[in-house]
Amino acid sequence: EAQVTQNPRYLITVTGKKLTVTCSQNMNHEYMSWYRQDPGLGLRQIYYSMNVEVTDKGDVPEGYKVSRKEKRNFPLILESPSPNQTSLYFCASTWFRSSPLHFGNGTRLTVT
Amino acid sequence: AQSVTQLDSQVPVFEEAPVELRCNYSSSVSVYLFWYVQYPNQGLQLLLKYLSGSTLVKGINGFEAEFNKSQTSFHLRKPSVHISDTAEYFCAVIGDSGNTPLVFGKGTRLSVIA
Repeated sequence: EAQVTQNPRYLITVTGKKLTVTCSQNMNHEYMSWYRQDPGLGLRQIYYSMNVEVTDKGDVPEGYKVSRKEKRNFPLILESPSPNQTSLYFCASTWFRSSPLHFGNGTRLTVT
Repeated sequence: AQSVTQLDSQVPVFEEAPVELRCNYSSSVSVYLFWYVQYPNQGLQLLLKYLSGSTLVKGINGFEAEFNKSQTSFHLRKPSVHISDTAEYFCAVIGDSGNTPLVFGKGTRLSVIA
């Protein structure tokens, strides 16, 4: 089954404790992206990747890192999480820019 | 750069009534347009898309949208809603050239009342 898999689904952590949210897709998509969803703000792009070893900042990259060492994986790294990063995070992938995004089921992160 | 405005944050509607969710965009280039739906505790999934051609686009679950270039709008419609249509709906736009990112609206929460 074609899918984007994010882990974990739920994560509660404390300020400053490094964490990684994993994202994997099995559709051989070149383009992958991370979004955060906050009430009243919709989805905002954090980082995206056009291909292996090619990443770029989205609208809200501060406090986040990503890597794209292989085509299927695009982990999101929070080196020192803060409470304002409490949010619902989505990973998405697609073939090219005009094709629809395939979304994971989300990771709800709480930073206390 | 592109931007998207969803004019209503919440839309309550009775079951079997028609509904229209409004979306306006701004862009200096031609665009591709999308509507996504998010059911509770799930990721987004594509409802329909406009890339080119006919301005009336039909999607899944009986939804359709009309691209209006002069009014820079891409409103979503359904003639008769069901309880199962209760969800959040997002309009999104991307320029058809260059490296501009996909931009989402802030979403419209559709609540269908029995």
